[in-house]
Amino acid sequence: EAQVTQNPRYLITVTGKKLTVTCSQNMNHEYMSWYRQDPGLGLRQIYYSMNVEVTDKGDVPEGYKVSRKEKRNFPLILESPSPNQTSLYFCASSLGGSLNEQFFGPGTRLTVL
Amino acid sequence: GENVEQHPSTLSVQEGDSAVIKCTYSDSASNYFPWYKQELGKGPQLIIDIRSNVGEKKDQRIAVTLNKTAKHFSLHITETQPEDSAVYFCAGSNRDDKIIFGKGTRLHILP
Repeated sequence: EAQVTQNPRYLITVTGKKLTVTCSQNMNHEYMSWYRQDPGLGLRQIYYSMNVEVTDKGDVPEGYKVSRKEKRNFPLILESPSPNQTSLYFCASSLGGSLNEQFFGPGTRLTVL
Repeated sequence: GENVEQHPSTLSVQEGDSAVIKCTYSDSASNYFPWYKQELGKGPQLIIDIRSNVGEKKDQRIAVTLNKTAKHFSLHITETQPEDSAVYFCAGSNRDDKIIFGKGTRLHILP
């Protein structure tokens, strides 16, 4: 089944403890992206990747890192999480860039205490 | 930069009636306008999209209209059903080919 998977789905952590949220897609898509969703703010892009070893900042990249060593994986790294990074995170992928249908993962709900 | 405004933030309609969600955008270079539906506990899913070379697109009960002169586009759902209850996001591309999402509309279908 064609899909985007994220792990973990839920995570509660404390300020400053490094964490990684994994994202994997099995559709051979070049483009992958991370979004955060906050009440009243909609979906905001954190980072995106046009292909392997090519990443770029979205609208809210501060406090986050990403890597794209393989086509199928695009992990989101929070080196030193803070409470303002408490949010619902979505990974997405698409064939041929952002101007095509994006397939979203199920989301990761992160709470930073 | 591109700004996409979406209204209303919440919409309640009687089952069987029509629902309309409206969005405006600011970047005249925008040329791609997707609509996503997010059901409870799930990620957004594309339901329809339109590109700037057409003014209207329809898929069964769903239609999207685009007015490039006025810089606004709308989602129309006819004969609404309980399964249409969800959060809907409009989006527009900017001159850097990034997608900017609206803040979302929570649609309630009343029995």
